[in-house]
Amino acid sequence: NAGVTQTPKFRVLKTGQSMTLLCAQDMNHEYMYWYRQDPGMGLRLIHYSVGEGTTAKGEVPDGYNVSRLKKQNFLLGLESAAPSQTSVYFCASSETGRSNQPQHFGDGTRLSIL
Amino acid sequence: AQSVTQPDIHITVSEGASLELRCNYSYGATPYLFWYVQSPGQGLQLLLKYFSGDTLVQGIKGFEAEFKRSQSSFNLRKPSVHWSDAAEYFCAVGAQNDYKLSFGAGTTVTVRA
Repeated sequence: NAGVTQTPKFRVLKTGQSMTLLCAQDMNHEYMYWYRQDPGMGLRLIHYSVGEGTTAKGEVPDGYNVSRLKKQNFLLGLESAAPSQTSVYFCASSETGRSNQPQHFGDGTRLSIL
Repeated sequence: AQSVTQPDIHITVSEGASLELRCNYSYGATPYLFWYVQSPGQGLQLLLKYFSGDTLVQGIKGFEAEFKRSQSSFNLRKPSVHWSDAAEYFCAVGAQNDYKLSFGAGTTVTVRA
């Protein structure tokens, strides 16, 4: 079972460059999420999606955009990368949006902005 | 809004010894509570969850957690730690009828031989 797959696993960018992180899930989940993980801060929600074609802002959305054109894919974009966006990014999915449904996580993307 | 505090940033424990990780939450109603584990270079894996009923819940890998409403706590325990338990552990709380999970800052567990 693949579950949630994130690509790439590692990336180094220069300030001002753009890139897209891809998340794919094969569990037919409705909800998908993008988090960033920073030392001492746990996971913070960037954006989320309640279904194909819909996205919404989370706790720390500034500097990021997302798209969910297909149910199984959730893309996170950085239009102009900044050093403050150096982080580990996790994608997750859940069957529904009820918080008693556990979220399933990918292995993360480690992003460094120089 | 709900929130989570994990008071211990780092814990070192000897292999074979018991482990307890603390988690305190803030939420006005009965919360949904989770413990996740993150091994180095990996994503988060669900260890166990509490929604209602028996306040002592069993999870995978020999872990258990106890919900104590009076103390707003959901501490994770394991009677005998293995070297493979070295990881970062996250407590999370969810509100009823809401998608959002709030995560604690995490506790890193080091296991010494």
